[in-house]
Order: sequence, then C-alpha cells, then structure tokens
Amino acid sequence: EAQVTQNPRYLITVTGKKLTVTCSQNMNHEYMSWYRQDPGLGLRQIYYSMNVEVTDKGDVPEGYKVSRKEKRNFPLILESPSPNQTSLYFCASSGGTGGYEQYFGPGTRLTVT
Amino acid sequence: AQSVTQLGSHVSVSEGALVLLRCNYSSSVPPYLFWYVQYPNQGLQLLLKYTTGATLVKGINGFEAEFKKSETSFHLTKPSAHMSDAAEYFCAVIRGGKFQFGAGTQVVVTP
Repeated sequence: EAQVTQNPRYLITVTGKKLTVTCSQNMNHEYMSWYRQDPGLGLRQIYYSMNVEVTDKGDVPEGYKVSRKEKRNFPLILESPSPNQTSLYFCASSGGTGGYEQYFGPGTRLTVT
Repeated sequence: AQSVTQLGSHVSVSEGALVLLRCNYSSSVPPYLFWYVQYPNQGLQLLLKYTTGATLVKGINGFEAEFKKSETSFHLTKPSAHMSDAAEYFCAVIRGGKFQFGAGTQVVVTP
C-alpha cells in the first residue's frame, strides 16, 4: 500500500531536549516536505526536499533541521525544542513540484512543556 | 511573494444546499492550484487540482473548482452538500517547490 508514515504519532517532551520525528514514503517520490498546522494559520511549510541531498527552507524553518540522505526518508529534527513549537506536524511526498498530488502522513502531535 | 487567502474560516450549510468556498491567490504568474480536505484527526487528501488547460476542474466527491485568472480566484463548489462533507478545506498553491496553504475553511453541514 502506498503510504507516508510518521513516527511517533504523539510526543510530549520538555524544553531543550532534542528530538527527531521520522518520515518515510514507499512511493519512490522525489519531493518531500514538512509542515506544521496551527489553528487559524493553516499549514505552513517548514522545509522541503526536491531530491536526495537537496533541501530548502520553507516559510517557517527557524528551530528545525532536516536531512535527506535516502530517497525514502526525510526526518525532522528539533535540536532544542521550545513551547512555541507545540503543534501538529505533517510530512508529505509527491512525484515532483509541478501539478503532482502530495500524499500526507497521519501527523505527529508534539507538545513541548 | 505569493499568498493564498480563503474567505471565511467557518461556513455552515444545510444538507442539500450549495457549498461555496472561496480562494484567492496573489501571484503575477498563475501557479498550480489545489484544494485539499482534512477530516477530523486525519491528514490531508487531495480534492482536485488545476495545472493547465480546462479552467473548470472536477474532483472527487462531487466537488469542482473554476480557475479565473482575471480574478486570481479558484473557488470550490459542490451543488448539494452531504453530511459527510463536514471537514476542513484548504486551498494551496505551489511555485518553485514551495507550497503555500490558505488558513482553511471549516465546513459544518446541518440537517
């Protein structure tokens, strides 16, 4: 089954404790992206990657890191989480940056206390 | 710079009535345009998209949208609302690898 998986689905952590949210897709997609969803703000793009070893900033990259060492994986790293990073995070992938459909993961709800 | 504006954060419609969700984008060059739907506690699912060609685009679940370049709009419609249409809807654009989403419109369907 074609899918995007994220782990963990729920995470409660404390300020400053490094964490990684994993994202994996099995569709051989070139494009992958991370978003955060906050009430009233819709989804905002954090980082995206057009292919292996190619990443770029979205609209809200501050406080986040990503890497794309393999085509299928695109982890999101919060090196020193802060409470304002409490949010719902989605990973997505697609076949490209044109009119391709993005496939979204189920989301990771992160709470930073 | 470009942005996506969705008019109305909440829309209430009666079952069987027309659903109209508004989306405007700001861009000098028409981008690729999308409508996504999010059901409670789920990720986003593509409803329809406009890339090139026919400006009236049909999607899943009876939804359609019309791209109007002169109005920089991509409004979403469905002739007859169903209870299962209750969800949040997002308009989105992509240019050069960057996606931008609108703030979303929550649709409530009343019997």
